[in-house]
Amino acid sequence: GEDVEQSLFLSVREGDSSVINCTYTDSSSTYLYWYKQEPGAGLQLLTYIFSNMDMKQDQRLTVLLNKKDKHLSLRIADTQTGDSAIYFCAESPRSGYSTLTFGKGTMLLVSP
Amino acid sequence: EAEVAQSPRYKITEKSQAVAFWCDPISGHATLYWYRQILGQGPELLVQFQDESVVDDSQLPKDRFSAERLKGVDSTLKIQPAELGDSAMYLCASSLTRGKDNEQFFGPGTRLTVL
Repeated sequence: GEDVEQSLFLSVREGDSSVINCTYTDSSSTYLYWYKQEPGAGLQLLTYIFSNMDMKQDQRLTVLLNKKDKHLSLRIADTQTGDSAIYFCAESPRSGYSTLTFGKGTMLLVSP
Repeated sequence: EAEVAQSPRYKITEKSQAVAFWCDPISGHATLYWYRQILGQGPELLVQFQDESVVDDSQLPKDRFSAERLKGVDSTLKIQPAELGDSAMYLCASSLTRGKDNEQFFGPGTRLTVL
């Protein structure tokens, strides 16, 4: 079955790097995603990575994928207080089209 | 900038009452999704439309939930009767097509509280 696991909480100081980790179980996943949700708001797609890639970088965001271990991470460089939010990892299994399976989310708290 | 619109933003109802949520996707987006997000959890897909057709409603509790997208544009999700366990955020999303590389754009959600 499909399952996405994330740590629930991460606290960092402003200016530090944040690393949010995710593990997934569906080896047929072809796309893996990171979404951000601010309080009371919908989800915003931050980035996604195709399963034949090991790394993707987009400005302050770096995604690392270890397909062998089914481990995905999101690194945010120079974390700002505005990065405080809940971050969701999601996978898109081969069996569906754009259907997404989300983890429970990691709450990132950035202190000044 | 085009956005997914949802209304109402907040709804409080008593159990056994009927509630309805509305979603207007981004213009031109053929695929529309309804998700339910229980507090402290990630969103779970309830139903997916391609134009006016349902393509996935395997997780929709069909005894009390219904969804329609009659003209392939806006959509309504209904719960009748509401139960205490239905309290959650209901998120609508849309994407250009069904392909995996098509970004899903989410609306702000409707927070439902059932008393």
